[in-house]
Amino acid sequence: GNSVTQMEGPVTLSEEAFLTINCTYTATGYPSLFWYVQYPGEGLQLLLKATKADDKGSNKGFEATYRKETTSFHLEKGSVQVSDSAVYFCALISSGSARQLTFGSGTQLTVLP
Amino acid sequence: NAGVTQTPKFRVLKTGQSMTLLCAQDMNHEYMYWYRQDPGMGLRLIHYSVGEGTTAKGEVPDGYNVSRLKKQNFLLGLESAAPSQTSVYFCASSLAGTSGNNEQFFGPGTRLTVL
Repeated sequence: GNSVTQMEGPVTLSEEAFLTINCTYTATGYPSLFWYVQYPGEGLQLLLKATKADDKGSNKGFEATYRKETTSFHLEKGSVQVSDSAVYFCALISSGSARQLTFGSGTQLTVLP
Repeated sequence: NAGVTQTPKFRVLKTGQSMTLLCAQDMNHEYMYWYRQDPGMGLRLIHYSVGEGTTAKGEVPDGYNVSRLKKQNFLLGLESAAPSQTSVYFCASSLAGTSGNNEQFFGPGTRLTVL
């Protein structure tokens, strides 16, 4: 079956630090990969996605590259802000029916001023 | 557009009580989903629907039932609540179409506590 393994948190960084959150996956076929963000008290929002190997998704200064050879989709940001404090979820959709999302366990990020 | 809305936002139940969570979307999406979120476990799919009048089981369907009588609404029912169903429940919807290209839009969640 499909699975997503995500770097365990929590992660605490100072403002303007570099962020990496690791994500690796197991899936059949050629999945699409996603990063979702959940701000306190809110639902999940799509942060970025990549639908084929070597694609780079980017949004709000965050980036992630679909690496088929290492089955990874690591999230990076060069300079985090306090407002980036949230829970980040890596997820995939395989080529099965209904495009069911499989989520990682989430990584809590806290950015200190 | 309101997007995906959920009611209620919070609920406390006693063991054995029943309740229904309502999800509504105004984006004319074909697909709708119910997830539960538990600490350290990410989101897990309970049930989903690929169109009006259709439902299917997800990863953790036991103890839940669903109905999709109207395209815009997806109901999640707990017939006899148990403490293990204490969780945050999220509804989501998406367009139909080719795999992976359609974003799932999430509601704000319902926090349920079963005593």
